[in-house]
Amino acid sequence: EAQVTQNPRYLITVTGKKLTVTCSQNMNHEYMSWYRQDPGLGLRQIYYSMNVEVTDKGDVPEGYKVSRKEKRNFPLILESPSPNQTSLYFCASSPGRVYEQYFGPGTRLTVT
Amino acid sequence: AQSVSQHNHHVILSEAASLELGCNYSYGGTVNLFWYVQYPGQHLQLLLKYFSGDPLVKGIKGFEAEFIKSKFSFNLRKPSVQWSDTAEYFCAALWGSQGNLIFGKGTKLSVKP
Repeated sequence: EAQVTQNPRYLITVTGKKLTVTCSQNMNHEYMSWYRQDPGLGLRQIYYSMNVEVTDKGDVPEGYKVSRKEKRNFPLILESPSPNQTSLYFCASSPGRVYEQYFGPGTRLTVT
Repeated sequence: AQSVSQHNHHVILSEAASLELGCNYSYGGTVNLFWYVQYPGQHLQLLLKYFSGDPLVKGIKGFEAEFIKSKFSFNLRKPSVQWSDTAEYFCAALWGSQGNLIFGKGTKLSVKP
């Protein structure tokens, strides 16, 4: 089944404790991206990747890192999480930038 | 900066009522437009998209949207809503050959049975 998977689905952590949210897609898509969803703000793009080893900042990249060493994986790294990063995070992939994006199930992160 | 505006934060309808959700995007040349839906507790799914051609676009589950270039609008419509349409709806736009997909803030639709 074609899908985007994320892990973990739920995470509660403390300020400053490094964490990684994994994202994997099995559709051989070149384009992958990360969004955060906050009430009243909709979805905002954090980082995106046009292909392996090619990543770029989205609209709200501060406090986040990403890497794209393999086509199928696009992990999101929070080196030193802070409470303002409490949010619902979605990973998405698509064949290219202008195509429909396929979203993962989301990761609800709480930073205390 | 490019932007997408959705006029309604929360819409409440009874079953069988007609639906129209507003979406306006800022000027920026060639634009690709999308409507996504997020059912409670689920991830976003594409309802429909417009790249070019016929400005009236039909999507899944009986939804359609009309691209009106002169009004910078891409409103979502459905003639008769069902309880199962209860969800949050997001309009999104992508301009030209660069830049990111920009989402509106979303419209929550509640359909009363």
